[in-house]
Amino acid sequence: QKEVEQNSGPLSVPEGAIASLNCTYSDRGSQSFFWYRQYSGKSPELIMSIYSNGDKEDGRFTAQLNKASQYVSLLIRDSQPSDSATYLCAVTSSGGSYIPTFGRGTSLIVHP
Amino acid sequence: DTGVSQDPRHKITKRGQNVTFRCDPISEHNRLYWYRQTLGQGPEFLTYFQNEAQLEKSRLLSDRFSAERPKGSFSTLEIQRTEQGDSAMYLCASSSTGTRNSPLHFGNGTRLTVT
Repeated sequence: QKEVEQNSGPLSVPEGAIASLNCTYSDRGSQSFFWYRQYSGKSPELIMSIYSNGDKEDGRFTAQLNKASQYVSLLIRDSQPSDSATYLCAVTSSGGSYIPTFGRGTSLIVHP
Repeated sequence: DTGVSQDPRHKITKRGQNVTFRCDPISEHNRLYWYRQTLGQGPEFLTYFQNEAQLEKSRLLSDRFSAERPKGSFSTLEIQRTEQGDSAMYLCASSSTGTRNSPLHFGNGTRLTVT
C-alpha cells in the first residue's frame, strides 16, 4: 500500500507569516510530486510540481524535495487570508502507471 | 483550453437507484482519471483510461461501479444500486501524457448524495 501522509491540521498562521506544509511518502521509487490547493467545496488546483531533490520556487511558493528522507514540503511566504484552503500533496507511483496518490490534505488558516 | 467539464454538478438519488456521471477532458489530453473524495479526505483513485483503454481499476472499486471512455473522448462513470456510502464528490481529471511529469487537471466534480 503506497501511502502519502499529511498532518490534517488546521495549521493557523498570521497574515504575512511563512506557512510550512509537510508531506511524507512510503514508496521510495516515487518520481513526481505535486501540491494542490483545494478551497472548500471546490476541486483541487495545481500549485507546484517538483521532480528533483532541492528547492523549486514560484512566486510566494517554494516546494522542497528530499528523496532520501521521503519528504516533500511547501512553503508559502507572506501568507494571505486568500491562501486559507486545504493543501493536498500528491505523489506519482513507481511501476509504470504513474497514478498520483493523494494525502488527506492539510487545512491552512491565515488570520488577519 | 476549456478545462475539464463534469456533469451534473450535483446529484441526489435514493438508495438502490443507478446514477451516471459524465466527464469531458481537455481535448488534447489522452489520460483520464476518476477519483472519489469524501469530507476530510484526499482524493481516492478509482480508475483511469489512456485513450479508450481502461488500464487500471482500484481494488477498492466495487463491481457496482463501471466506467467507459468510448472513442477516447468523454468518459462516463456509472454506479448501480447506489448505497449511502457512495455519497461523495466524484472528481474527473485529465493529463496530457503518460510520463511521470504530467500533473492532473481536475474538473469541478459531481457531488452525489444518496438518501
